[in-house]
Amino acid sequence: DAGVTQSPTHLIKTRGQQVTLRCSPKSGHDTVSWYQQALGQGPQFIFQYYEEEERQRGNFPDRFSGHQFPNYSSELNVNALLLGDSALYLCASGTDERWQYFGPGTRLLVL
Amino acid sequence: AQKVTQAQTEISVVEKEDVTLDCVYETRDTTYYLFWYKQPPSGELVFLIRRNSFDEQNEISGRYSWNFQKSTSSFNFTITASQVVDSAVYFCALSGGNTGKLIFGQGTTLQVKP
Repeated sequence: DAGVTQSPTHLIKTRGQQVTLRCSPKSGHDTVSWYQQALGQGPQFIFQYYEEEERQRGNFPDRFSGHQFPNYSSELNVNALLLGDSALYLCASGTDERWQYFGPGTRLLVL
Repeated sequence: AQKVTQAQTEISVVEKEDVTLDCVYETRDTTYYLFWYKQPPSGELVFLIRRNSFDEQNEISGRYSWNFQKSTSSFNFTITASQVVDSAVYFCALSGGNTGKLIFGQGTTLQVKP
């Protein structure tokens, strides 16, 4: 049984570009959450998707958007990248908001 | 507002020592969930435990144990007879009510030396 998977593992972009990160939830999980973890910090909640709808959102600008597909996989899109967007982006999946299992993350570096 | 505080930034112990990682939380929700995650250098957050606010029973799993005290809003994590493989960053997290999001502490870096 595969756990939560994310792609790509690493990514380098330049300021102003756009990026798309992908997440496949653990089998049987229908809820996907995204977190941003800056170096030396705890993860910060970006948003959560359930039944293809954004159910909850953290304190992130509209440059951060997402999508959930019918197979429950999800994408995180970030537009107009800033240097400060450099971080580890973590995806978590679960059957409800009380269970969250994390993927290995995508390390994004913005130059 | 919800908040999780892990006052210990870094802890260094020698193998086989016991070590306790502290976690203090703030929430106005009557129903909430507390979590501990381990983050090795690879970056993946490994789930260790979940505890709901109505269950104050302490839990032991092998060398790991957790002490949940609502009276002091604390959810501390003890590793008995630490091993080098326990070296990692440990995060305490809170999920309140039906908010659907985890609030993490700043993390405690544990270094276990041989």
